Amino acid sequence: EAGVAQSPRYKIIEKRQSVAFWCNPISGHATLYWYQQILGQGPKLLIQFQNNGVVDDSQLPKDRFSAERLKGVDSTLKIQPAKLEDSAVYLCASSLIPRGDYGYTFGSGTRLTVV
Amino acid sequence: GIQVEQSPPDLILQEGANSTLRCNFSDSVNNLQWFHQNPWGQLINLFYIPSGTKQNGRLSATTVATERYSLLYISSSQTTDSGVYFCAANYKLSFGAGTTVTVRA
Repeated sequence: EAGVAQSPRYKIIEKRQSVAFWCNPISGHATLYWYQQILGQGPKLLIQFQNNGVVDDSQLPKDRFSAERLKGVDSTLKIQPAKLEDSAVYLCASSLIPRGDYGYTFGSGTRLTVV
Repeated sequence: GIQVEQSPPDLILQEGANSTLRCNFSDSVNNLQWFHQNPWGQLINLFYIPSGTKQNGRLSATTVATERYSLLYISSSQTTDSGVYFCAANYKLSFGAGTTVTVRA
């Protein structure tokens, strides 16, 4: 079974530029999550999708972050314009259904550096 | 939202040693997971353990839901156990700050 694919692996941009990250979850997984992990901290949920609908985006800074999951499969997360404090690893995860006993599979993440 | 606290923040072990990591949570939970993040950043799901005890090889976990804590036990540690261990609560995964484990040969 292929894992959760994310790209790019690394990205360096200047502040005020825009950036986009891509995630392809495990085939058949209806639930997709984006997390932000700042160095030295645990991941923080940004947005949760169920199929192509948003379940929770309460912690997404909507003035600069946006995300979509077209056709309920892959997803993109965009930041525009980026700030220095957005430097972090952006992790995508998927699960078959949003129940803990079904487990969670994380991608390798995209490490963003804003300079 | 729920608060998740982990202790200790750092742990240095000699290969072969045993250790216990603790996770306290501020409210009742419908889901409690333990994860291992390896030195390359990959997060691996170790246990789904909202209550009770589970074992998987040298790792085991216990959650006492009524007292709002969970424990992760590492026995006979190996260098490959190094990394950061996170607990996370509820289905949307509220993570603690993690325990960084370093196992020395």
